[in-house]
Amino acid sequence: KQEVTQIPAALSVPEGENLVLNCSFTDSAIYNLQWFRQDPGKGLTSLLLIQSSQREQTSGRLNASLDKSSGRSTLYIAASQPGDSATYLCAVKGYSTLTFGKGTMLLVSP
Amino acid sequence: GAVVSQHPSRVICKSGTSVKIECRSLDFQATTMFWYRQFPKQSLMLMATSNEGSKATYEQGVEKDKFLINHASLTLSTLTVTSAHPEDSSFYICSALPGTASVHEQYFGPGTRLTVT
Repeated sequence: KQEVTQIPAALSVPEGENLVLNCSFTDSAIYNLQWFRQDPGKGLTSLLLIQSSQREQTSGRLNASLDKSSGRSTLYIAASQPGDSATYLCAVKGYSTLTFGKGTMLLVSP
Repeated sequence: GAVVSQHPSRVICKSGTSVKIECRSLDFQATTMFWYRQFPKQSLMLMATSNEGSKATYEQGVEKDKFLINHASLTLSTLTVTSAHPEDSSFYICSALPGTASVHEQYFGPGTRLTVT
């Protein structure tokens, strides 16, 4: 059974810092890996999706990498802003299911 | 991008009553839809997977007689919480997989906040 772990569980940084969120998974037989953002009491916003054949995806200040063989992904956020404060979820798509990590709660202070 | 809607966004009901939540894919046909539940400060947990025209497959520990799922068309799935109790209070999120998907990307609805009093 796929297990997804996210480290750290919570992170507090001052505005402007670059930061890295980590995600690891136990079963490398995946179709893709996806990073989501969730604001309190809200649904999911898809940030980046990396296919199993890809190594990274970029969108604006966000860059996600995937090392399928080692079961790891990182989400890099450049020049963080208070508006980036949210919970970031990593999810891995297997044959039939999408398995989520528990998330990293990010707080960026002005 | 593909859009998935949910209705209602928020519902409060009394213990013992039933509540129906709708999930619609607005601009694509979804052969498979998924229902997730999220408790406060927890991640999303898959409840069941439904394929259009067939019975849903429930995850271990999810009571199929309590959480009734109907996927009657390629654009609509419903989740009915029967005889709701306060412990069923949660955030329910649906997701849809396009039938033509080659990238296996699921699209998520905005969620429904259920409060059972």
